Amino acid sequence: EDQVTQSPEALRLQEGESSSLNCSYTVSGLRGLFWYRQDPGKGPEFLFTLYSAGEEKEKERLKATLTKKESFLHITAPKPEDSATYLCAVQAYNSGGYQKVTFGTGTKLQVIP
Amino acid sequence: EAEVAQSPRYKITEKSQAVAFWCDPISGHATLYWYRQILGQGPELLVQFQDESVVDDSQLPKDRFSAERLKGVDSTLKIQPAELGDSAMYLCASSLRADTQYFGPGTRLTVL
Repeated sequence: EDQVTQSPEALRLQEGESSSLNCSYTVSGLRGLFWYRQDPGKGPEFLFTLYSAGEEKEKERLKATLTKKESFLHITAPKPEDSATYLCAVQAYNSGGYQKVTFGTGTKLQVIP
Repeated sequence: EAEVAQSPRYKITEKSQAVAFWCDPISGHATLYWYRQILGQGPELLVQFQDESVVDDSQLPKDRFSAERLKGVDSTLKIQPAELGDSAMYLCASSLRADTQYFGPGTRLTVL
């Protein structure tokens, strides 16, 4: 069974204090790894898709990286508006031959001014 | 920018009543997903459609939940009867070719 574990569960940073969120996964035949941002009471907002080990993608203060066992979401000089829950998800083929996505439980980030 | 639409945004119902949620995916997206998200947890897949066909409903409680996507476009998720444990956020997502999923705003269900 595919598993996704995110750490830490919660992270509190001062504005400008860079850090990383971790997503470790166990999956047979990774097709893709996704990062989403979710604000309270809203649907997840797509950030990145990573397909192979060594791949990196950036967007503003966020940078996502991928290895064969985990992914990191690096946040450089965060601002209060970066406060949200960050979800990681992996995509693999299910027993029926269709691609299934499994989500982690998320890291709740709070950035203090 | 195209978005996934969901309605209603909020629903309060009493246990044993029936509820229905509607989702309109991004135009042209063949794959549609319904997820349930309990507060503090990640989304859990309930059902996945490819066009009008169900390709994964292994986690759908079929004694009370049903989903349809009759013309391969919009979709309805129904719960009958609702139970207290069904209180959650119900999210709809769509993707072009079963790749990156784009989510709607969700429906917050409260069962009293």
